[in-house]
Amino acid sequence: KNEVEQSPQNLTAQEGEFITINCSYSVGISALHWLQQHPGGGIVSLFMLSSGKKKHGRLIATINIQEKHSSLHITASHPRDSAVYICAVTGGGADGLTFGKGTHLIIQP
Amino acid sequence: SAVISQKPSRDICQRGTSLTIQCQVDSQVTMMFWYRQQPGQSLTLIATANQGSEATYESGFVIDKFPISRPNLTFSTLTVSNMSPEDSSIYLCSVEARAAARYNEQFFGPGTRLTVL
Repeated sequence: KNEVEQSPQNLTAQEGEFITINCSYSVGISALHWLQQHPGGGIVSLFMLSSGKKKHGRLIATINIQEKHSSLHITASHPRDSAVYICAVTGGGADGLTFGKGTHLIIQP
Repeated sequence: SAVISQKPSRDICQRGTSLTIQCQVDSQVTMMFWYRQQPGQSLTLIATANQGSEATYESGFVIDKFPISRPNLTFSTLTVSNMSPEDSSIYLCSVEARAAARYNEQFFGPGTRLTVL
């Protein structure tokens, strides 16, 4: 079973700062997901990666398959980015997702 | 994309009773996943539900406690049986979208927040 580790667990930063959240996993995967969960519990998929790098607005996600590591970056962070960011991996097919414990991000104005 | 609705959105139940959670998707999907998020914890996969076959349960979850139905390609139910306070969690259903530009993207329902007294 895959072990998914995220760091940091908690992160408080000032508005405008560059944010990096890291994720490592123990077993080869078919895809890695970055998810965002807001205080009400709703979950939104940010990225699905199987290789390389993806960018959407101020969010950038990278993955290194050989090192079993992914990072999520937020540029020009804003208080509305405050949420829990969750890394999840899958072997594909009917495997479902295995989740990290999440990174609780607070961006202060 | 896939839009998912869940009912109920929240409930407070008595110990020993059962609750059935419904998950409706606006498009046909092969696999639906049920997850649990206990307070302060991350999500854990309960089971995978394919239409026309028995659900596949993860270690630590059994059919007698969490029976699942999957009568068609847009709908599934999860029942939490003989509830105890330890079952207090958010329960989420999820699907994979396999449309061209969004292959393998995951979509989540809004969740059902269950409190067992």
